[in-house]
Amino acid sequence: DSGVTQTPKHLITATGQRVTLRCSPRSGDLSVYWYQQSLDQGLQFLIQYYNGEERAKGNILERFSAQQFPDLHSELNLSSLELGDSALYFCASSIRTSGYNEQFFGPGTRLTVL
Amino acid sequence: GENVEQHPSTLSVQEGDSAVIKCTYSDSASNYFPWYKQELGKRPQLIIDIRSNVGEKKDQRIAVTLNKTAKHFSLHITETQPEDSAVYFCAASRGLGTGFQKLVFGTGTRLLVSP
Repeated sequence: DSGVTQTPKHLITATGQRVTLRCSPRSGDLSVYWYQQSLDQGLQFLIQYYNGEERAKGNILERFSAQQFPDLHSELNLSSLELGDSALYFCASSIRTSGYNEQFFGPGTRLTVL
Repeated sequence: GENVEQHPSTLSVQEGDSAVIKCTYSDSASNYFPWYKQELGKRPQLIIDIRSNVGEKKDQRIAVTLNKTAKHFSLHITETQPEDSAVYFCAASRGLGTGFQKLVFGTGTRLLVSP
């Protein structure tokens, strides 16, 4: 167990709908990263938040957005869903007190768009 | 931009054999190189990492080597066991204070260890 939690574990929805994925980082970690992993694919970086502020964006679609709240949990919002959005969505957290970007992943949310 | 190449994409070995996975990176400012193991449908788990101030690190049956001049690093698994079967990802990242510290992942290696 990495200490990073994600809810829900599974989500099944229809095209055109909107969903929210939730992530709670490890205690003390200030950074949250979101990744998308499609079937048999690698990890695609979406977005990073640090202490409530957006720090960097990767290959995130305009239909997707995220935020990090004062208690440091983060939510990833996916709207106007398409079949191709079906994937595993992971969040990871890191504290970087060592100066190195050690990231620990949550269990993921499996999104199925029908 | 930053890029990490990983080879091979698949690797099949017999139980007890050694396995080696290699990665090359493009960003010369990278100083942190973690390796993740991902079993089917599960989270990537950090299994070992190496920092740029060392050339080799070992943890029981796994070891990583780093050649900063050539910009490549490798994962070595000795005495492989069936439970080592998984997808392995390498990654590279810059250090603190150098701007955005994104983990850039390789494309993964599917390791199959046959009994």
